[in-house]
Amino acid sequence: AQSVTQPDIHITVSEGASLELRCNYSYGATPYLFWYVQSPGQGLQLLLKYFSGDTLVQGIKGFEAEFKRSQSSFNLRKPSVHWSDAAEYFCAVAAHQGGKLIFGQGTELSVKP
Amino acid sequence: DAGVIQSPRHEVTEMGQEVTLRCKPISGHNSLFWYRQTMMRGLELLIYFNNNVPIDDSGMPEDRFSAKMPNASFSTLKIQPSEPRDSAVYFCASSLTGTGPEKLFFGSGTQLSVL
Repeated sequence: AQSVTQPDIHITVSEGASLELRCNYSYGATPYLFWYVQSPGQGLQLLLKYFSGDTLVQGIKGFEAEFKRSQSSFNLRKPSVHWSDAAEYFCAVAAHQGGKLIFGQGTELSVKP
Repeated sequence: DAGVIQSPRHEVTEMGQEVTLRCKPISGHNSLFWYRQTMMRGLELLIYFNNNVPIDDSGMPEDRFSAKMPNASFSTLKIQPSEPRDSAVYFCASSLTGTGPEKLFFGSGTQLSVL
């Protein structure tokens, strides 16, 4: 069965510092991988996705993620965090059929001035 | 397009009461999903429909939960009777089958509090 683990429940970084949010998945085949962001009181917004090809994918708002098959990881990164990045971030894996997404627990990001 | 519309945005009820959450998917989308988000369990898929037919309801926690999709533009998630542990944010999402999961659009969620 598919599963996603986000080991960090809450992370605090200073504005301007770099960010890495961890995501590990379990899936038998090549996964479809996603990162979503949820701002307070809002729904989920897709940041980026990986299906195949280049293992480093670029997303919106300056985010990127790297797929590492050997580590079963898909960590999200940003070189310089802005205060507006404070939100909850979800990693997700999809089965190949339809849009059935399996989400991780989420990582809450706080940004210090 | 107005996006996926959920109502109400907030619901506060007492234990034992019936709760009905509503969702209007994006026009033209034929897949609809209900998710529940809690601190303990994160975001869980409860049920999803394709062309108004429930395809996978294995995530529905128990018989107190039921979901319907009477037509392509409306779905409900009902909890009867509600319990405090049902307190969570419930998200509805829709997509066009065949476009892939990246084309999943989420509503803003319903914050449910059961006292």
